[in-house]
Amino acid sequence: GAGVSQSPSNKVTEKGKDVELRCDPISGHTALYWYRQSLGQGLEFLIYFQGNSAPDKSGLPSDRFSAERTGGSVSTLTIQRTQQEDSAVYLCASSYRGRGTYGYTFGSGTRLTVV
Amino acid sequence: SQQGEEDPQALSIQEGENATMNCSYKTSINNLQWYRQNSGRGLVHLILIRSNEREKHSGRLRVTLDTSKKSSSLLITASRAADTASYFCATDAGTNTGNQFYFGTGTSLTVIP
Repeated sequence: GAGVSQSPSNKVTEKGKDVELRCDPISGHTALYWYRQSLGQGLEFLIYFQGNSAPDKSGLPSDRFSAERTGGSVSTLTIQRTQQEDSAVYLCASSYRGRGTYGYTFGSGTRLTVV
Repeated sequence: SQQGEEDPQALSIQEGENATMNCSYKTSINNLQWYRQNSGRGLVHLILIRSNEREKHSGRLRVTLDTSKKSSSLLITASRAADTASYFCATDAGTNTGNQFYFGTGTSLTVIP
């Protein structure tokens, strides 16, 4: 597609439930990132996919968080047993090549609210 | 931490004036990027400056990079109300330090019509 697409745009969930967030990157972009942004804060790195390489999961805050990328394209971020501190905007970004060589294109994000 | 830090945290100017935002970082970098964010949602890539560059222009934007001071500035000339947004710098620290870019907490710019 023309841009990075994320769904849903908003998600309200009850504490303890699992949620799945989706990112559809720009076609041909090999690098895909997930970041999250809490209210009034900067972006916190979560995970990085580059081609067929093993993902860099060093930013995932706990084992409740996991992500996968199927066929080098669509990615899903799963949060199990959600907690209130998981409330944030989850942003996905893709790039033609990794390490920001050409800059990132961000999606509009998923605003997650855990009640 | 390699996190970039923007200064000031908030800036309010009149339309037509110039806006200058600064970013400082802590370690050597390969490149530095500036992004704009409207309404707390997706970020828009504005400009990328590599570590061997000192200045770069894109329309009304001018970015400078001083690697000796580990700092960068973003200048928006002849500001418009539509420039109202948060601006972030992001730094890539090099091949041996992981894959992520580090973002600061941003400068909130308000342009008053």
